[in-house]
Amino acid sequence: DIVMTQSPDSLAVSLGERATINCKSSQSVLYSSNNKNQLAWYQKKPGQPPKLLIYWASTRESGVPDRFSGSGSGTDFTLTISSLQAEDVAVYYCQQYFSTPRTFGQGTKLEIK
Amino acid sequence: EVQLLESGGDLVQPGGSLRLSCAASGFTFSTYAMTWVRQPPGKGLEWVSVISGSSDNTYYADSVQGRFTISRDNSKNTLYLQMNSLRADDTAIYYCARNLYGGSLHNWGQGTLVTVSS
Repeated sequence: DIVMTQSPDSLAVSLGERATINCKSSQSVLYSSNNKNQLAWYQKKPGQPPKLLIYWASTRESGVPDRFSGSGSGTDFTLTISSLQAEDVAVYYCQQYFSTPRTFGQGTKLEIK
Repeated sequence: EVQLLESGGDLVQPGGSLRLSCAASGFTFSTYAMTWVRQPPGKGLEWVSVISGSSDNTYYADSVQGRFTISRDNSKNTLYLQMNSLRADDTAIYYCARNLYGGSLHNWGQGTLVTVSS
């Protein structure tokens, strides 16, 4: 199974500042047939279902604010929130869909400093 | 508008069984793979199972393999999760989700709570 490891486990950032969350996979999730990384980022708020932010490591889902961006390739990935807003307080998860089981990272809790 | 509505969650005793349903609307159900994901109380997201659009392919997490069965009825636009031999650590909110682009989960239901306790 591919193990997804996020860092840090929690993060406190001031409003308007940049937040960066890292995700490392135990093996490459780059799919050679389409040259796309099979990596997604989700936002989870209490009492709500998860929300897809980014797929293919860097493609923003329709309707997601452009302050959210994803980068990385192979085994190392980053979710960046360029200017933190109050509504961004949540737990963020990466997930690989390169192979089954399609594992999630343990989550990163993002709070306001 | 894509809508997914889970049902069937309940309080069940250890060793018992339960079947979850996920009613889909707003898209051509049969053309999309579907996934179940769960979140135990106070813990992170856990991928449970996926089924292809035609039901030809199914996959499971090791933690549920042999106890859970995913299925779908494309004539009813409904996804199912049959859960047998339930254990306390199966207690969670269970979400169904629509797969796109090889496996990213673009649409989610609101979830249904399964509690396994005596």
